[in-house]
Amino acid sequence: GEDVEQSLFLSVREGDSSVINCTYTDSSSTYLYWYKQEPGAGLQLLTYIFSNMDMKQDQRLTVLLNKKDKHLSLRIADTQTGDSAIYFCAERLTGGFKTIFGAGTRLFVKA
Amino acid sequence: DTEVTQTPKHLVMGMTNKKSLKCEQHMGHRAMYWYKQKAKKPPELMFVYSYEKLSINESVPSRFSPECPNSSLLNLHLHALQPEDSALYLCASSQDLGFEQYFGPGTRLTVT
Repeated sequence: GEDVEQSLFLSVREGDSSVINCTYTDSSSTYLYWYKQEPGAGLQLLTYIFSNMDMKQDQRLTVLLNKKDKHLSLRIADTQTGDSAIYFCAERLTGGFKTIFGAGTRLFVKA
Repeated sequence: DTEVTQTPKHLVMGMTNKKSLKCEQHMGHRAMYWYKQKAKKPPELMFVYSYEKLSINESVPSRFSPECPNSSLLNLHLHALQPEDSALYLCASSQDLGFEQYFGPGTRLTVT
């Protein structure tokens, strides 16, 4: 079945790296996404990775994909208080139009 | 410009009211989506439009009625809602079905 799982909370100190993890069950996923949602706001697309890649870097963000283990991670370098938000992992299934979202990881950044 | 706009930002309505939520994008995207998001939950897909035609209806109650008047606009008409329909309603668009989606800021709906 289709399922995306994430841990619910992560707390880091300002300046440290944050690593948010996600596992998915559908091996036919084509694209995997990371979205950020700040309180009271919509979802902001942060980055995405195609399933034939294993890594993508974009400024402070690094996405790692382990297809064998169906594991996706988002690393935020030099985490700032403005990075405090909920981060959703999502997958798009092959041949499908739906995007399946995880429950979201709430990132707390302590000054 | 990767902006999706939604109006109103907040809406309070009674169970007998009729209201509409509006969504607009000018990115030339041909797929548009409505999601419902309850507090501390991920977004749940409600409807998908592709080239102004309804492609997916996720068994949403008929008190929610979507409309796509043109390729840039998406409306959600609300009638006889229940208090449990109170949520953040998010609109999104994508270049075509299956491409990455860009979300609007949402409309916070409260049904009294």
